[in-house]
Amino acid sequence: NAGVTQTPKFQVLKTGQSMTLQCAQDMNHEYMSWYRQDPGMGLRLIHYSVGAGITDQGEVPNGYNVSRSTTEDFPLRLLSAAPSQTSVYFCASSYSGVLGTEAFFGQGTRLTVV
Amino acid sequence: DAKTTQPNSMESNEEEPVHLPCNHSTISGTDYIHWYRQLPSQGPEYVIHGLTSNVNNRMASLAIAEDRKSSTLILHRATLRDAAVYYCILRLNTGNQFYFGTGTSLTVIP
Repeated sequence: NAGVTQTPKFQVLKTGQSMTLQCAQDMNHEYMSWYRQDPGMGLRLIHYSVGAGITDQGEVPNGYNVSRSTTEDFPLRLLSAAPSQTSVYFCASSYSGVLGTEAFFGQGTRLTVV
Repeated sequence: DAKTTQPNSMESNEEEPVHLPCNHSTISGTDYIHWYRQLPSQGPEYVIHGLTSNVNNRMASLAIAEDRKSSTLILHRATLRDAAVYYCILRLNTGNQFYFGTGTSLTVIP
C-alpha cells in the first residue's frame, strides 16, 4: 500500500535555483495539499487542490507554485529558492477537505537552501 | 484567530493511560477539533477528530468539554510506539483553514 509518496527525501539547493517536489497518491483522493514544517513548529499550509485543475493558496504561498493535472499527482515548484525556504515539506491527501476527516501524509522532503 | 495551546511535553509510564490536554478558547461553534501525531522523521498521522460529542476509535478517545473551549486526547494504554509529538488542531468549517499548535511531545517510560 503506497499511500502518499514524496520524492526526493532530501535536497540541497543553492539560492536562486528552482526545483520541483513530487507528490503522488494512489487512493483516488480529490483533496491534496502541501505544508511546510519549521523547527519546533506545527505545519503551515502552502497550497492545496480540491481536484484536478483546481488549486488555491494556503497560509504561506509566496515563492511556491502548484498545478494539478491529474488526480494522482500534485507537484510543488520552488521558483527561486531562498534560505527562508529551508524546511521540511509534507504532502497530504484526503477524501474530504484539506485536512479532512482523515488526511494521509507523505514521509516528507527535507530541503536545505544554501 | 483560532489557536490551540498544549503543554510542551508530557511523560507516561508504559501501559498507563495518558491524558493530553488542549485549550482552544477561541473556538467557534462549527470548528472541528482534530488530533494528529508525528513520530520522529515521519509525516503526521491521523488520530481522531470531533465536533461536540466525545469520540472513540481504535487508537484513542477524544473528550470535548461542554463549552468546547478545551479537549483531551486519551490514550488508554500507552505503549512505546505511542512516543510522538501530538498536535491538537482546529479546523474551521470551511474545511481549508486550520491551525496547528506546537504540539505535546509524549515520552513513554518503559
